[in-house]
Amino acid sequence: AQSVAQPEDQVNVAEGNPLTVKCTYSVSGNPYLFWYVQYPNRGLQFLLKYITGDNLVKGSYGFEAEFNKSQTSFHLKKPSALVSDSALYFCAGLNTNAGKSTFGDGTTLTVKP
Amino acid sequence: DTGVSQNPRHKITKRGQNVTFRCDPISEHNRLYWYRQTLGQGPEFLTYFQNEAQLEKSRLLSDRFSAERPKGSFSTLEIQRTEQGDSAMYLCASSLDRAFAAYNEQFFGPGTRLTVL
Repeated sequence: AQSVAQPEDQVNVAEGNPLTVKCTYSVSGNPYLFWYVQYPNRGLQFLLKYITGDNLVKGSYGFEAEFNKSQTSFHLKKPSALVSDSALYFCAGLNTNAGKSTFGDGTTLTVKP
Repeated sequence: DTGVSQNPRHKITKRGQNVTFRCDPISEHNRLYWYRQTLGQGPEFLTYFQNEAQLEKSRLLSDRFSAERPKGSFSTLEIQRTEQGDSAMYLCASSLDRAFAAYNEQFFGPGTRLTVL
């Protein structure tokens, strides 16, 4: 069975400070890992993904994530947070031969001015 | 707008009634997914199609749930004899991927919110 965990329900940061939203995974085989963002009354939007290759992946809106195989983590990061980054963030994972994605329960990011 | 669309956006029904939701994916996408999302949780996988073939179905999906994608384009999700526990947001997503491997991101629709009274 595969699972994805987001250990923090809520993350609060001040504008201009770096942010980290945590994700750990348990996926058999080679994991494919994704981050999505959900704004109020909007559908989930893709941010970035790790398939293979460089452990540091860059995505939309200045976000990046680091794949760490030994710690089975895929934390989302941004060097300088914006108020407009405030949203609900989901980590998702699947193994290489499956169509089914498993999502974490989400982390609400609040960036305060 | 050429994104994923879902209809209706909201549905209120009485327990025991049948409901049907529609999803129109991005036109060139061959894969279509259905998820259910309740408050405070991430999307839960229900089923997915590769073109018109339904390749996987979650054990969460009881026999009251059925999904179709008859021509490999739009899809419908039907819930028969609705129960209060079916109240949730039903999400549809599409992607362009090979069979039995999913490298590409999914594009989500806005969802259909179902309330069962």
